[in-house]
Amino acid sequence: GQQVMQIPQYQHVQEGEDFTTYCNSSTTLSNIQWYKQRPGGHPVFLIQLVKSGEVKKQKRLTFQFGEAKKNSSLHITATQTTDVGTYFCAGQNGGTSYGKLTFGQGTILTVHP
Amino acid sequence: ETGVTQTPRHLVMGMTNKKSLKCEQHLGHNAMYWYKQSAKKPLELMFVYNFKEQTENNSVPSRFSPECPNSSHLFLHLHTLQPEDSALYLCASSQELGAGGYNEQFFGPGTRLTVL
Repeated sequence: GQQVMQIPQYQHVQEGEDFTTYCNSSTTLSNIQWYKQRPGGHPVFLIQLVKSGEVKKQKRLTFQFGEAKKNSSLHITATQTTDVGTYFCAGQNGGTSYGKLTFGQGTILTVHP
Repeated sequence: ETGVTQTPRHLVMGMTNKKSLKCEQHLGHNAMYWYKQSAKKPLELMFVYNFKEQTENNSVPSRFSPECPNSSHLFLHLHTLQPEDSALYLCASSQELGAGGYNEQFFGPGTRLTVL
């Protein structure tokens, strides 16, 4: 079945440093979504990428979708303590059933002030 | 906050108990989902309901039984669970956009389940 691998599993940074998490799918994706889960909270949708090579920005966050639509990345510039949490990518394969997302393992980000 | 509510928020049950988890979405969505989130594991999709019809059962043991009486409510009935079933159970909803497209998923706060 479809697998979505996400690295690194953990990332510790000093406040102000940059952070990147990478997501790789075993199959070509129709689209990919990114979610953030704060400690003790639930996943919250951040963004969806659909087009090959797409790049989207949300303030300090930059999301990329690979040309082959099999990989994606999330980059945070100048991290802040509010960025703490687990970042998940979730891919959908156009051939699978409706709405089914396959989540990566997540990257746990800690930011030291 | 998200328009998806779950009750109870915490549940402790014995292996012989029967309990139910409830999810309600106030967003007018037509699809609902159950996920299991265990420590150090990715989110595991359990069930998908689209327009009240179950469209996905991700090889979930029969001790978990979903019910979707209408597009706003989703239940997960639990019986004779095992300690390894202890996890955070998350409900989510989304809206089909037509032509196979869909929108993002909105998650509820989850039910923290402990099986003794």
